[in-house]
Amino acid sequence: AQTVTQSQPEMSVQEAETVTLSCTYDTSENNYYLFWYKQPPSRQMILVIRQEAYKQQNATENRFSVNFQKAAKSFSLKISDSQLGDTAMYFCAFMKHAPSGGGADGLTFGKGTHLIIQP
Amino acid sequence: EAGVTQSPTHLIKTRGQQATLRCSPISGHTSVYWYQQALGLGLQFLLWYDEGEERNRGNFPPRFSGRQFPNYSSELNVNALELEDSALYLCASSKRVGFAGPFFGPGTRLTVL
Repeated sequence: AQTVTQSQPEMSVQEAETVTLSCTYDTSENNYYLFWYKQPPSRQMILVIRQEAYKQQNATENRFSVNFQKAAKSFSLKISDSQLGDTAMYFCAFMKHAPSGGGADGLTFGKGTHLIIQP
Repeated sequence: EAGVTQSPTHLIKTRGQQATLRCSPISGHTSVYWYQQALGLGLQFLLWYDEGEERNRGNFPPRFSGRQFPNYSSELNVNALELEDSALYLCASSKRVGFAGPFFGPGTRLTVL
């Protein structure tokens, strides 16, 4: 079974600052995916960024980037130039790679980090 | 491209009743996942359907069940409702080829009185 740990229950930064959210995971799988999801007060779960474990290059999506350290089983999210709209719960999640393609068995989530961007 | 849709938005039931929640995946997605997000318990995996078959289920009692239809839409049934079933139920979908990750719907808020 997989576990995902987010050690920061809450973080608060000023608008325009850079913030890094931590995530570690434990698995015996070699092929898997890692994700960061954002859940604002509206409760809609939004996919922020995806990383495939076989790719060494860290994923980036505009202001969002990850630092993926496979050996250390670490997957942190960096948000640059933070904006008020970034205020949300952020969940780190793990998913096994299915032999037939895509993901398998569903996502395993961490408990989340509540990120607050102050004006 | 339309996103994942779920219905109803809110559902109020009494203890012992049955609830049916529905999910329509993104066009071209064949996998549907169901999750429960209860207050204080985080996001718990319920069920995974792919190509019409149940592929895996989380640690939930058998009164949580569902199915996937030929058009890949899905429904989640919860029988003999208990107060602790009150939660946000999230559905997500994904595809195999060109997998980009599960994408979530807006959820159904189930309240059991």
